[in-house]
Amino acid sequence: AQSVTQLDSQVPVFEEAPVELRCNYSSSVSVYLFWYVQYPNQGLQLLLKYLSGSTLVESINGFEAEFNKSQTSFHLRKPSVHISDTAEYFCAVYADTGGFKTIFGAGTRLFVKA
Amino acid sequence: NAGVTQTPKFRILKIGQSMTLQCAQDMNHNYMYWYRQDPGMGLKLIYYSVGAGITDKGEVPNGYNVSRSTTEDFPLRLELAAPSQTSVYFCASSLGGPETQYFGPGTRLLVL
Repeated sequence: AQSVTQLDSQVPVFEEAPVELRCNYSSSVSVYLFWYVQYPNQGLQLLLKYLSGSTLVESINGFEAEFNKSQTSFHLRKPSVHISDTAEYFCAVYADTGGFKTIFGAGTRLFVKA
Repeated sequence: NAGVTQTPKFRILKIGQSMTLQCAQDMNHNYMYWYRQDPGMGLKLIYYSVGAGITDKGEVPNGYNVSRSTTEDFPLRLELAAPSQTSVYFCASSLGGPETQYFGPGTRLLVL
Protein backbone atom coordinates (compact mmCIF):
# COMPACT_ATOMS: atom_id res chain seq x y z
CA ALA A 1 0.00 0.00 0.00
CA GLN A 2 1.17 3.49 -0.68
CA SER A 3 1.85 6.08 2.00
CA VAL A 4 3.02 9.67 2.22
CA THR A 5 5.18 11.21 4.92
CA GLN A 6 5.66 14.92 5.33
CA LEU A 7 8.67 15.21 7.55
CA ASP A 8 7.92 18.60 9.10
CA SER A 9 4.62 19.57 10.70
CA GLN A 10 5.59 23.25 10.92
CA VAL A 11 8.21 25.34 9.16
CA PRO A 12 8.76 28.92 10.33
CA VAL A 13 10.86 31.06 8.00
CA PHE A 14 11.65 34.73 7.51
CA GLU A 15 10.38 36.60 4.49
CA GLU A 16 12.70 36.41 1.44
CA ALA A 17 14.48 33.34 2.85
CA PRO A 18 14.50 30.02 0.95
CA VAL A 19 12.34 27.14 2.10
CA GLU A 20 12.09 23.39 1.52
CA LEU A 21 9.10 21.30 2.54
CA ARG A 22 9.93 17.63 2.56
CA CYS A 23 7.78 14.78 1.28
CA ASN A 24 8.60 11.09 1.03
CA TYR A 25 6.33 8.40 -0.32
CA SER A 26 6.28 4.64 -0.50
CA SER A 27 4.81 2.67 -3.36
CA SER A 28 5.73 -0.41 -5.31
CA VAL A 29 4.28 0.89 -8.56
CA SER A 30 4.57 4.02 -10.63
CA VAL A 31 3.12 7.13 -9.03
CA TYR A 32 1.72 10.52 -9.75
CA LEU A 33 2.67 13.21 -7.23
CA PHE A 34 0.97 16.42 -6.19
CA TRP A 35 1.43 19.39 -3.92
CA TYR A 36 -1.71 21.17 -2.77
CA VAL A 37 -1.92 24.42 -0.78
CA GLN A 38 -4.61 25.37 1.70
CA TYR A 39 -5.00 28.99 2.76
CA PRO A 40 -6.87 29.70 6.03
CA ASN A 41 -10.54 28.77 5.95
CA GLN A 42 -10.39 27.55 2.36
CA GLY A 43 -10.34 24.28 0.51
CA LEU A 44 -7.20 22.81 -1.01
CA GLN A 45 -5.99 23.94 -4.41
CA LEU A 46 -3.38 22.43 -6.67
CA LEU A 47 0.08 23.99 -6.51
CA LEU A 48 1.93 21.66 -8.89
CA LYS A 49 2.00 18.06 -10.03
CA TYR A 50 4.26 15.43 -11.54
CA LEU A 51 2.67 12.96 -13.93
CA SER A 52 5.55 12.07 -16.25
CA GLY A 53 8.42 13.62 -18.19
CA SER A 54 10.75 16.16 -16.62
CA THR A 55 11.34 15.41 -12.96
CA LEU A 56 11.42 19.12 -12.08
CA VAL A 57 8.02 20.78 -12.05
CA GLU A 58 7.21 24.41 -11.34
CA SER A 59 4.23 26.44 -10.23
CA ILE A 60 3.24 29.89 -11.44
CA ASN A 61 4.13 31.53 -8.12
CA GLY A 62 7.76 30.41 -7.87
CA PHE A 63 7.51 27.03 -6.16
CA GLU A 64 9.21 23.99 -7.64
CA ALA A 65 9.41 20.30 -6.76
CA GLU A 66 11.65 17.54 -7.98
CA PHE A 67 10.62 13.92 -8.33
CA ASN A 68 13.44 11.71 -7.09
CA LYS A 69 12.57 8.09 -7.79
CA SER A 70 15.63 6.58 -6.12
CA GLN A 71 14.94 8.47 -2.88
CA THR A 72 11.15 8.27 -3.27
CA SER A 73 10.88 11.97 -2.54
CA PHE A 74 9.04 14.97 -3.93
CA HIS A 75 10.33 17.93 -1.92
CA LEU A 76 8.85 21.39 -2.47
CA ARG A 77 11.16 24.41 -2.65
CA LYS A 78 10.98 28.14 -3.10
CA PRO A 79 14.10 30.35 -3.25
CA SER A 80 12.46 33.40 -1.64
CA VAL A 81 9.18 33.27 0.26
CA HIS A 82 6.60 36.00 0.80
CA ILE A 83 4.25 36.65 3.67
CA SER A 84 1.42 35.56 1.36
CA ASP A 85 2.92 32.05 1.14
CA THR A 86 1.82 31.40 4.72
CA ALA A 87 -0.47 28.38 4.38
CA GLU A 88 -0.64 24.64 4.89
CA TYR A 89 0.92 22.48 2.19
CA PHE A 90 -0.09 18.91 1.46
CA CYS A 91 1.85 16.34 -0.50
CA ALA A 92 -0.29 13.68 -2.19
CA VAL A 93 0.40 10.50 -4.14
CA TYR A 94 -1.73 8.55 -6.56
CA ALA A 95 -0.39 5.05 -7.25
CA ASP A 96 -1.38 3.21 -10.38
CA THR A 97 -2.62 0.09 -8.59
CA GLY A 98 -5.99 -0.02 -10.29
CA GLY A 99 -7.67 1.75 -7.40
CA PHE A 100 -8.85 5.33 -7.51
CA LYS A 101 -7.58 6.76 -4.27
CA THR A 102 -5.11 9.56 -3.74
CA ILE A 103 -3.32 9.50 -0.37
CA PHE A 104 -2.56 12.81 1.32
CA GLY A 105 0.21 13.55 3.77
CA ALA A 106 -0.51 15.10 7.17
CA GLY A 107 0.44 18.57 5.96
CA THR A 108 3.18 21.10 6.67
CA ARG A 109 2.26 24.49 8.03
CA LEU A 110 4.51 27.16 6.51
CA PHE A 111 4.65 30.33 8.56
CA VAL A 112 6.45 33.27 6.95
CA LYS A 113 7.58 35.97 9.35
CA ALA A 114 8.35 39.59 8.50
CA ASN B 1 -18.28 27.90 -13.53
CA ALA B 2 -18.96 27.69 -9.80
CA GLY B 3 -16.63 24.67 -9.48
CA VAL B 4 -17.37 22.59 -6.38
CA THR B 5 -19.95 23.96 -3.96
CA GLN B 6 -20.77 22.71 -0.48
CA THR B 7 -23.60 23.49 1.91
CA PRO B 8 -23.87 24.28 4.75
CA LYS B 9 -20.66 26.10 5.68
CA PHE B 10 -21.10 25.43 9.39
CA ARG B 11 -23.42 23.28 11.44
CA ILE B 12 -23.81 22.29 15.07
CA LEU B 13 -25.44 18.91 15.71
CA LYS B 14 -26.50 17.21 18.89
CA ILE B 15 -25.37 13.65 19.53
CA GLY B 16 -27.68 11.22 17.76
CA GLN B 17 -29.00 13.70 15.20
CA SER B 18 -28.66 13.12 11.47
CA MET B 19 -27.84 15.45 8.62
CA THR B 20 -26.83 15.56 4.97
CA LEU B 21 -23.88 17.52 3.68
CA GLN B 22 -24.50 18.67 0.16
CA CYS B 23 -21.89 18.75 -2.61
CA ALA B 24 -22.31 19.72 -6.24
CA GLN B 25 -19.92 20.29 -9.15
CA ASP B 26 -20.53 21.82 -12.56
CA MET B 27 -17.36 20.62 -14.33
CA ASN B 28 -18.83 17.33 -15.59
CA HIS B 29 -16.29 15.37 -13.57
CA ASN B 30 -16.92 11.67 -13.18
CA TYR B 31 -14.94 11.27 -9.96
CA MET B 32 -16.08 12.75 -6.67
CA TYR B 33 -14.73 12.39 -3.15
CA TRP B 34 -15.54 13.14 0.46
CA TYR B 35 -12.74 13.82 2.91
CA ARG B 36 -12.58 14.80 6.53
CA GLN B 37 -9.78 16.96 7.87
CA ASP B 38 -8.71 16.81 11.49
CA PRO B 39 -5.85 18.92 12.92
CA GLY B 40 -2.45 17.36 12.22
CA MET B 41 -4.01 14.38 10.46
CA GLY B 42 -4.22 15.57 6.89
CA LEU B 43 -7.17 14.43 4.81
CA LYS B 44 -8.85 11.08 5.24
CA LEU B 45 -11.00 9.70 2.46
CA ILE B 46 -14.51 8.78 3.59
CA TYR B 47 -16.19 7.72 0.33
CA TYR B 48 -15.61 8.21 -3.34
CA SER B 49 -17.52 7.75 -6.58
CA VAL B 50 -16.29 7.08 -10.12
CA GLY B 51 -19.61 7.89 -11.76
CA ALA B 52 -23.34 8.14 -11.26
CA GLY B 53 -24.61 5.06 -9.44
CA ILE B 54 -21.13 3.89 -8.38
CA THR B 55 -19.72 4.53 -4.92
CA ASP B 56 -17.07 2.90 -2.77
CA LYS B 57 -15.66 3.16 0.73
CA GLY B 58 -12.50 5.03 1.56
CA GLU B 59 -10.34 4.85 4.69
CA VAL B 60 -12.91 6.01 7.27
CA PRO B 61 -16.47 5.20 6.08
CA ASN B 62 -18.05 4.16 9.40
CA GLY B 63 -20.94 6.38 10.42
CA TYR B 64 -21.42 7.82 6.94
CA ASN B 65 -23.35 7.02 3.78
CA VAL B 66 -23.33 8.43 0.27
CA SER B 67 -25.32 8.27 -2.92
CA ARG B 68 -24.59 9.42 -6.47
CA SER B 69 -27.77 9.61 -8.52
CA THR B 70 -26.42 12.29 -10.88
CA THR B 71 -23.00 13.30 -12.17
CA GLU B 72 -23.30 16.67 -10.46
CA ASP B 73 -24.31 15.77 -6.90
CA PHE B 74 -22.65 13.69 -4.22
CA PRO B 75 -24.34 14.12 -0.82
CA LEU B 76 -22.84 12.73 2.39
CA ARG B 77 -25.22 11.46 5.04
CA LEU B 78 -24.36 11.32 8.74
CA GLU B 79 -26.57 9.01 10.75
CA LEU B 80 -26.58 9.19 14.54
CA ALA B 81 -23.95 11.91 14.89
CA ALA B 82 -21.16 11.32 17.41
CA PRO B 83 -18.56 13.72 18.88
CA SER B 84 -15.87 11.84 16.90
CA GLN B 85 -17.47 13.20 13.74
CA THR B 86 -16.59 16.76 14.69
CA SER B 87 -14.38 17.78 11.79
CA VAL B 88 -14.10 19.82 8.62
CA TYR B 89 -15.53 18.00 5.62
CA PHE B 90 -14.33 18.62 2.08
CA CYS B 91 -15.88 17.47 -1.13
CA ALA B 92 -13.72 17.24 -4.25
CA SER B 93 -14.03 16.19 -7.85
CA SER B 94 -11.69 15.22 -10.68
CA LEU B 95 -11.78 14.11 -14.31
CA GLY B 96 -10.08 10.84 -13.42
CA GLY B 97 -8.14 9.03 -10.71
CA PRO B 98 -4.70 10.56 -11.28
CA GLU B 99 -6.05 13.95 -12.28
CA THR B 100 -6.10 17.18 -10.27
CA GLN B 101 -8.76 17.26 -7.60
CA TYR B 102 -10.86 20.41 -7.21
CA PHE B 103 -12.04 21.08 -3.69
CA GLY B 104 -15.06 22.80 -2.28
CA PRO B 105 -14.76 25.40 0.52
CA GLY B 106 -15.59 22.87 3.24
CA THR B 107 -18.26 22.28 5.88
CA ARG B 108 -17.30 22.72 9.51
CA LEU B 109 -19.30 20.33 11.69
CA LEU B 110 -19.46 20.40 15.47
CA VAL B 111 -21.18 17.54 17.31
CA LEU B 112 -22.03 18.26 20.93
